[in-house]
Amino acid sequence: QSVLTQPPSASGTPGQRVTISCSGSSSNIGSNTVNWYRQLPGTAPKLLIYTNSQRPSGVPDRFSGSKSGTSASLAISGLQSEDEADYYCGAWDDSLNAWVFGGGTKLTVL
Amino acid sequence: EVQLLESGGGLVQPGGSLRLSCAASGFTFSTYAMSWVRQAPGKGLEWVSVISGGGSTIYYADSVKGRFTISRDNSKSTLDLQMNSLRAEDTAVYYCAKLQGPYKQAWHFEYWGQGTLVTVSS
Repeated sequence: QSVLTQPPSASGTPGQRVTISCSGSSSNIGSNTVNWYRQLPGTAPKLLIYTNSQRPSGVPDRFSGSKSGTSASLAISGLQSEDEADYYCGAWDDSLNAWVFGGGTKLTVL
Repeated sequence: EVQLLESGGGLVQPGGSLRLSCAASGFTFSTYAMSWVRQAPGKGLEWVSVISGGGSTIYYADSVKGRFTISRDNSKSTLDLQMNSLRAEDTAVYYCAKLQGPYKQAWHFEYWGQGTLVTVSS
């Protein structure tokens, strides 16, 4: 069981907006920043969002992140077929003294 | 351009040892904390260990504590992971990652290598 909880799957049609949730606790999301990673099939993960809502250079503004209390969300607008991937949230956990990840959400573009 | 190239993976018997290496380039290696993250086949990401830029601060996941040792050679820009007493559940792709951020709780895995597969099986 992952420390952070994500839905195992999400889906949407091209052009649609989808959101992926990430639920944690006071020792991780509640007190530290959240980051999101995208993993295309057969490739290494790639940073998508850092410090709750910041986008690295090269990441389109279709991707946005937010955090409230002990939960965080990733929103993808204008869904495209190439967005099909696994998405992971992650944060430092003060109680475990460890980085923790969500179990991942597989996004399908219908 | 930041590049992280892992090596050293392979097939090892339960109870055996393996040493992974990560060759880094494209940034001032000694300035940044580095980490290992693994992914079992068909599973999610699991953080393994982190080492600060100077090597003085190290953390391990409970699942590998006492069995794995992380180290770095800043003169060669390399990161290593010595894995002992390997178990079947250690089977995974191991990724080397460069950390970025103002302090530990805000660090994020900025760049990832392509990974190296470790298979523990008899």
